[in-house]
Amino acid sequence: DIVMSQSPDSLAVSLGERATINCKSSRSLLYSGNNKNFLAWYQQKPGQPPKLLIYWASTRYSGVPDRFSGSGSGTDFTLTISSLQAEDVAVYYCQQYYATPPYSFGQGTRLEIK
Amino acid sequence: EVQLVQSGAEVKKPGESLKISCKGSGYDFTDYWIAWVRQMPGKGLEWMGIIYPGDSDTRYSPSFQGQVTISADRSINSAYLQWTSLKASDTAIYYCARPGAPGALGLPFDYWGQGTLVTVSS
Repeated sequence: DIVMSQSPDSLAVSLGERATINCKSSRSLLYSGNNKNFLAWYQQKPGQPPKLLIYWASTRYSGVPDRFSGSGSGTDFTLTISSLQAEDVAVYYCQQYYATPPYSFGQGTRLEIK
Repeated sequence: EVQLVQSGAEVKKPGESLKISCKGSGYDFTDYWIAWVRQMPGKGLEWMGIIYPGDSDTRYSPSFQGQVTISADRSINSAYLQWTSLKASDTAIYYCARPGAPGALGLPFDYWGQGTLVTVSS
């Protein structure tokens, strides 16, 4: 099974500053057949279910502000929030959905305001 | 509007059985896989398993295989997660979730249920 690992576990960033979260996969998530990386990012706020932010590693989901961006390929991925807003305080998860299940999540990164 | 509505919170004793539900609406229920995700108190998300209501094809994470049963009743647009003998370590919030396109297994989840809190305590 594919193991996902995020870093850091927690992060404190000042309002308006850049936040960067990393995600590493135990095997490549790049499928040569369509040149897509099978990697998604979710945001979870307290008491709420997760919300999809990014899929195919870099495609923003409908309605997601453009300050959120995803990058990376193969085994190393990054979620970047270009200018942190108060409403971005949450836990962020990466998830791989490559090939066959299980489609594992990273352990999560808690993002707070400095 | 697509909705996944889960059954309410449960409080059970160790050894008891339980079946929680997830009812889909606003889309053709038989065409989309439905997954279950566990979140233990203060912890991260764990992918448990997934079912295709159209033919009941079910896949489990090895971590949950044999521990739970996932099923679906397409006549009432509902998916289920079931335990025969609960343990205190089953205490968690359980979410159902649906990927964004019909028929496709390997896709992220763009619709989530509100979660069902299961508390197992003597």
